[in-house]
Amino acid sequence: GAVVSQHPSRVICKSGTSVKIECRSLDFQATTMFWYRQFPKKSLMLMATSNEGSKATYEQGVEKDKFLINHASLTLSTLTVTSAHPEDSSFYICSAREGTGTYEQYFGPGTRLTVT
Amino acid sequence: GDSVTQMEGPVTLSEEAFLTINCTYTATGYPSLFWYVQYPGEGLQLLLKATKADDKGSNKGFEATYRKETTSFHLEKGSVQVSDSAVYFCALSDAGTGANNLFFGTGTRLTVIP
Repeated sequence: GAVVSQHPSRVICKSGTSVKIECRSLDFQATTMFWYRQFPKKSLMLMATSNEGSKATYEQGVEKDKFLINHASLTLSTLTVTSAHPEDSSFYICSAREGTGTYEQYFGPGTRLTVT
Repeated sequence: GDSVTQMEGPVTLSEEAFLTINCTYTATGYPSLFWYVQYPGEGLQLLLKATKADDKGSNKGFEATYRKETTSFHLEKGSVQVSDSAVYFCALSDAGTGANNLFFGTGTRLTVIP
């Protein structure tokens, strides 16, 4: 089946630094990738949708200058948390979709970010 | 707006017990409904789906029926196994039969003990 990887799986950084999280589709080309954030005991919240080669579409309330998303190729999307603060600590999950319309999303295993 | 409410858990069951995880939804249109499962250390996987009212999704012994009259999509399994231990997420899509823009419930952790 379709596999999506994320790297790193876990990262700890100091307040004020930036962190990059990679999302890769390993055996298919992802025209669309999604970034979610999950708070403890809460739902997965969609942060943004990115299509290869174009700017990401951010959900309401998500700061695009803080959460930079790049979908430069059909197999890689990156999320950079800039000037991270403790409130950015969370579980970030990406998903990828092969086509448009009715195609399923395939999820990565998630990245646990802790900002100290 | 669209939303999903599911039983929070955690749920602990003995092997071969009957499982029900409740899920209800709110949607303005005609959503598709999904159950995803997340095994320890892995990403979310689609378990089953239903795209219209009265459809029944089924997979690996799990079933869920799309009930428009009660806006529900409860997950059931007649006899759970230890290997079913995971977190289960109910979700809906606001794009007809697609999986575009998924709205998730909070997840329910299931632990099955031998």
